[in-house]
Amino acid sequence: SQQGEEDPQALSIQEGENATMNCSYKTSINNLQWYRQNSGRGLVHLILIRSNEREKHSGRLRVTLDTSKKSSSLLITASRAADTASYFCATDDDSGTYKYIFGTGTRLKVLA
Amino acid sequence: EADIYQTPRYLVIGTGKKITLECSQTMGHDKMYWYQQDPGMELHLIHYSYGVNSTEKGDLSSESTVSRIRTEHFPLTLESARPSHTSQYLCASSVFLGADPFETPLHFGNGTRLTVT
Repeated sequence: SQQGEEDPQALSIQEGENATMNCSYKTSINNLQWYRQNSGRGLVHLILIRSNEREKHSGRLRVTLDTSKKSSSLLITASRAADTASYFCATDDDSGTYKYIFGTGTRLKVLA
Repeated sequence: EADIYQTPRYLVIGTGKKITLECSQTMGHDKMYWYQQDPGMELHLIHYSYGVNSTEKGDLSSESTVSRIRTEHFPLTLESARPSHTSQYLCASSVFLGADPFETPLHFGNGTRLTVT
């Protein structure tokens, strides 16, 4: 079953604006990761937040985690055209195996 | 970018052909994964490996097979390709730390886009 679901599925904003995307998951987790995927390429790791953390920053990225709601959000501030990509959250699947489960992704388009 | 390589980058083949998608990493990572992804869609895990001589099936039923004879190499083989196999195949790896296996991120290759006619 799908562990993570991103919301919205697609987002279009103007350059300079902030972009917020959300991820919901179903089971308890050890940590949650966010990845970016440019069109036709592999995924690139952005940031990892542990289950005992509530917020984490990395450059223009801000990630929050609410384990009581089983949700996370990724905020990209002052977006640039180069941020245009798909963004995925990933978690472990709580089965004791070393499998990462990816969400459905948010397709972000930043207009110059 | 991580040192994980997939070849070929693009492949168009006819139905019934046997193909092998190559994946190699130079980071000495123990864990390796194959994901299938249709354009703009979510990733589905089809195979993974904890180390040499270890292979497991993922969540998505697949007619492919994998092998892990060397740490750095994790090829994916389709014995008889069909149009339903048309997709992008992504290989990934990560290091096993033991205490928290999900502490380290996945490193992805750029994928193989397969088209079966």
